[in-house]
Amino acid sequence: DIQMTQSPSSLSASVGDRVTITCQASQDISNYLNWYQQKPGKAPNLLINDASNLETGVPSRFSGSGSGTDFTFTISSLQPEDIATYYCQQYDNLPLTFGGGTKVEIK
Amino acid sequence: QVQLVESGGGVVQPGRSLRLSCAASGFTFSNYVMYWVRQAPGKGLEWVAVISHDGSTKHHADSVKGRFNISRDNSKSTLYLQMDSLRPEDTAVYYCARDRIPYYDFWSALDYWGQGILVTVSS
Repeated sequence: DIQMTQSPSSLSASVGDRVTITCQASQDISNYLNWYQQKPGKAPNLLINDASNLETGVPSRFSGSGSGTDFTFTISSLQPEDIATYYCQQYDNLPLTFGGGTKVEIK
Repeated sequence: QVQLVESGGGVVQPGRSLRLSCAASGFTFSNYVMYWVRQAPGKGLEWVAVISHDGSTKHHADSVKGRFNISRDNSKSTLYLQMDSLRPEDTAVYYCARDRIPYYDFWSALDYWGQGILVTVSS
């Protein structure tokens, strides 16, 4: 199974800050990597597919990059509505696996 | 608009069975790969199963293999998860989800999710 190591597990930042989350795969997954946002009590919401493609309707302050084993998710200017847990997910191979999540809070 | 609505959850004793349903609307259900993903209380996301657009191919996570079975009825636009021999560690919110790409019988991103249904396995 491909292990997805996400860091940090939580972070606290101020409104307007740049926030960066990393996700490392245990083997090369090319760009087969997605990012999701999950707000408390809600289902996950797909933000980015194929490592860097922003889903329609997702604010441009969200972005993703990387390929191979190392990936980055960035919020360029943190907004109060971005409070959530973020997950990476690989689809290079079954089983589909998710990172452990990063809980983003406002300082 | 795309809607996925799960039903069939609840409290069940260990060793018993439960069948979850996911009613789809707002898109051509038969064109898409579909998934079940679960989330134990306070924990992260765990993929459970995937099924091809026509139901001919299915895969299950090792943690549920031999106990759970994913299926679909395209005439009813409904996805199912039959859960047998339930264990306390199966306690979770179960989500059905759609693959992002139509007419593509591999897995990619999960672009629409249901609201989730809670399954509690406890004596």
